[in-house]
Amino acid sequence: GAVVSQHPSWVICKSGTSVKIECRSLDFQATTMFWYRQFPKQSLMLMATSNEGSKATYEQGVEKDKFLINHASLTLSTLTVTSAHPEDSSFYICSASRGEGRTEAFFGQGTRLTVV
Amino acid sequence: LAKTTQPISMDSYEGQEVNITCSHNNIATNDYITWYQQFPSQGPRFIIQGYKTKVTNEVASLFIPADRKSSTLSLPRVSLSDTAVYYCLVGDIGYGQNFVFGPGTRLSVLP
Repeated sequence: GAVVSQHPSWVICKSGTSVKIECRSLDFQATTMFWYRQFPKQSLMLMATSNEGSKATYEQGVEKDKFLINHASLTLSTLTVTSAHPEDSSFYICSASRGEGRTEAFFGQGTRLTVV
Repeated sequence: LAKTTQPISMDSYEGQEVNITCSHNNIATNDYITWYQQFPSQGPRFIIQGYKTKVTNEVASLFIPADRKSSTLSLPRVSLSDTAVYYCLVGDIGYGQNFVFGPGTRLSVLP
């Protein structure tokens, strides 16, 4: 149990276009989902926290108008990178928690974004 | 959120037991200690979680002293496939806290 699936696993897009990444909790309801970005040889950097039905909370320095997060249901959150630029190329990872006192978070397999 | 400190890297040989210690001096009463494993180009994988004393599952053990200011992840008889980055996280995400990752420990298992 506790499977989190991300789609796509990798994507290449042109500069100026937008890309949407989906994060689904397959066998549990995720009250809270987290989005991270990871550059090569570095740790995960938290971008934002989203709770179902409410606006995401972004970490300092993360542009909310560039990284649009929608958590419309208890099993799906999406991250849209708008007007992507080469510096947005990174590994994006989501995680999901059941909340309500449950203390584990489970991670998706990640999405490799390359902007050319 | 409690800050964690881990060794940046460790080397071991196949078949040995590996212990990775994490310091978290500012751990709060409600915080749990969670360890994740990450392979290149994959999302972190949950290994084990504990609150106090000792927790054991099929892949690892977690030792937490009474003051909870540190914890030790113990991997018995490591193999080459255990080469990965291991992260220690402290927090209480069950009540809205987020997980902030430190640099982790890069474990290299040698033949």
